Amino acid sequence: SQTIHQWPATLVQPVGSPLSLECTVEGTSNPNLYWYRQAAGRGLQLLFYSVGIGQISSEVPQNLSASRPQDRQFILSSKKLLLSDSGFYLCAWSVSSDTQYFGPGTRLTVL
Amino acid sequence: GQQLNQSPQSMFIQEGEDVSMNCTSSSIFNTWLWYKQDPGEGPVLLIALYKAGELTSNGRLTAQFGITRKDSFLNISASIPSDVGIYFCAGLHSTSNSGYALNFGKGTSLLVTP
Repeated sequence: SQTIHQWPATLVQPVGSPLSLECTVEGTSNPNLYWYRQAAGRGLQLLFYSVGIGQISSEVPQNLSASRPQDRQFILSSKKLLLSDSGFYLCAWSVSSDTQYFGPGTRLTVL
Repeated sequence: GQQLNQSPQSMFIQEGEDVSMNCTSSSIFNTWLWYKQDPGEGPVLLIALYKAGELTSNGRLTAQFGITRKDSFLNISASIPSDVGIYFCAGLHSTSNSGYALNFGKGTSLLVTP
């Protein structure tokens, strides 16, 4: 069966520090991968998606970036965090156009 | 992206009552999904709808994909305390890079009292 992992589960970072969140998927090959951000427990916003290794599409302009170094690994990064980057970050996977399944999320607090 | 309007924003009901929430869009989606999210966790898929007019059940949950493909509803029968959470509707659409993305409603927060 397929599983999706995210780490860390919780992160507190100072403003201006770098960020690296990791997402990995097991049990499937060549999945579509997605990063979402959720503010205040409501409203998921798509940040990035990837249909293959090295392929990244951005949905909104921001100071975040994403990379897909391996087929089942998706990384969300920032060189300098802003206060507004605080939120709940969710990774998801899907097979082609099928349903998306979400990871457990990472709670990021920028102070 | 296409905006999804989800209502009601919140519901406060007693255990045993039935619940109904809905989602509408100005645009057509080919797939509608309903998720439930518990605090501090990722959304969990409840029901997926792939065909216009489709009515699908999952235990006490029933959801329908509107004929126009611009709306969907979710019903929960005989609610229990563990139904508490935030329910999201989501419409699946294609993207410019051969991918697929979800547009989410803002969620319905459900509280159930024993």
